[in-house]
Amino acid sequence: AQRVTQPEKLLSVFKGAPVELKCNYSYSGSPELFWYVQYSRQRLQLLLRHISRESIKGFTADLNKGETSFHLKKPFAQEEDSAMYYCALSLNSGGSNYKLTFGKGTLLTVNP
Amino acid sequence: EAGVTQFPSHSVIEKGQTVTLRCDPISGHDNLYWYRRVMGKEIKFLLHFVKESKQDESGMPNNRFLAERTGGTYSTLKVQPAELEDSGVYFCASSQEVGGAKNIQYFGAGTRLSVL
Repeated sequence: AQRVTQPEKLLSVFKGAPVELKCNYSYSGSPELFWYVQYSRQRLQLLLRHISRESIKGFTADLNKGETSFHLKKPFAQEEDSAMYYCALSLNSGGSNYKLTFGKGTLLTVNP
Repeated sequence: EAGVTQFPSHSVIEKGQTVTLRCDPISGHDNLYWYRRVMGKEIKFLLHFVKESKQDESGMPNNRFLAERTGGTYSTLKVQPAELEDSGVYFCASSQEVGGAKNIQYFGAGTRLSVL
């Protein structure tokens, strides 16, 4: 079965510092990877997905199939980036495979 | 455009009682998903509707849980009878399509269920 691992439960950085939230997955096929974010008192929302290859709010994530990783990076963290970040995987291969499999999440705190 | 709406936002019930959670997806979204997060664990998939049909219910924990989506619009998730381990946050999500560019799941704010 597929699995998503986010090794860091908590991550604390200072404003302006680079930040990297790690995500590794286990699946032998070609999944679709997502990063979802939940800001304080807000609902879970999509931050970015690997097929879009976009930069959202300064964040980027590259799918590395060799290392089965999809780490989220931002060169200069801002206080408003403080939130819970979830990495998620979808198989997207038809039938019953569109559900999201989530990691446990990383709580990012950006200190002033 | 209204987002995914869930009701109630919080429910406190006693063990053995019945609770029904409701989810209204974004209008026009045929795909509706239920997930839940129990204390200390990751968000886990429960089931997936395509219109009124259950496409995948592999995540439903046991037969105390019953999900319906009559008419392919809103969905309900009933827990009967509720047990202590059912406590957690229940999320609903909807998507316009599966696969491709429109395969984005939009989440509701969740229903926090507390079973005492």
